[in-house]
Amino acid sequence: DTEVTQTPKHLVMGMTNKKSLKCEQHMGHRAMYWYKQKAKKPPELMFVYSYEKLSINESVPSRFSPECPNSSLLNLHLHALQPEDSALYLCASSRSPVLDSNQPQHFGDGTRLSIL
Amino acid sequence: KNEVEQSPQNLTAQEGEFITINCSYSVGISALHWLQQHPGGGIVSLFMLSSGKKKHGRLIATINIQEKHSSLHITASHPRDSAVYICAVPQGGSEKLVFGKGTKLTVNP
Repeated sequence: DTEVTQTPKHLVMGMTNKKSLKCEQHMGHRAMYWYKQKAKKPPELMFVYSYEKLSINESVPSRFSPECPNSSLLNLHLHALQPEDSALYLCASSRSPVLDSNQPQHFGDGTRLSIL
Repeated sequence: KNEVEQSPQNLTAQEGEFITINCSYSVGISALHWLQQHPGGGIVSLFMLSSGKKKHGRLIATINIQEKHSSLHITASHPRDSAVYICAVPQGGSEKLVFGKGTKLTVNP
């Protein structure tokens, strides 16, 4: 069982829908991450939140909107997605956002997103 | 930017065999991560190491900082070890990890 919980596990949505992906951890970690992973490729970093503030945005299109309501929760709001956005979306957390971190990232099981 | 190379890309073994997966990187680092991803998608952090060797059950990870090289070994491999193994290193000065392309391991009974 993972200590980072992601919901839903699967999501199918149309290009005009609005949906949200959720991520939760109760390990007291103060850094949380969103990754996108296409089939047979390594994860690609999308966003990093450090102490509930957005610290890295890897030039992600605005149709993806992250939100960190508190230190345990990280959301990813989706709107007007394209078919090429279909992928596995992984959330991760680490104890603190130390630069050049020596800490492991704990990953969730991911949300498999399909855009029709 | 750190470049991470893994080899082999694909590896098929018979149950019980000793497995080695290699990872090389281009820029000096403070720590290297080995991750495991099963077909279902979830990623598990296996090791984070900055020097020497670490062991957890049948898994052993080694790193040579001078040569910028790490290996992941699996002793007495089992079909449940079948997964993609990914090496990752920090990109200096940020919380980013740079990932290798992964090694897909299949262990046949």
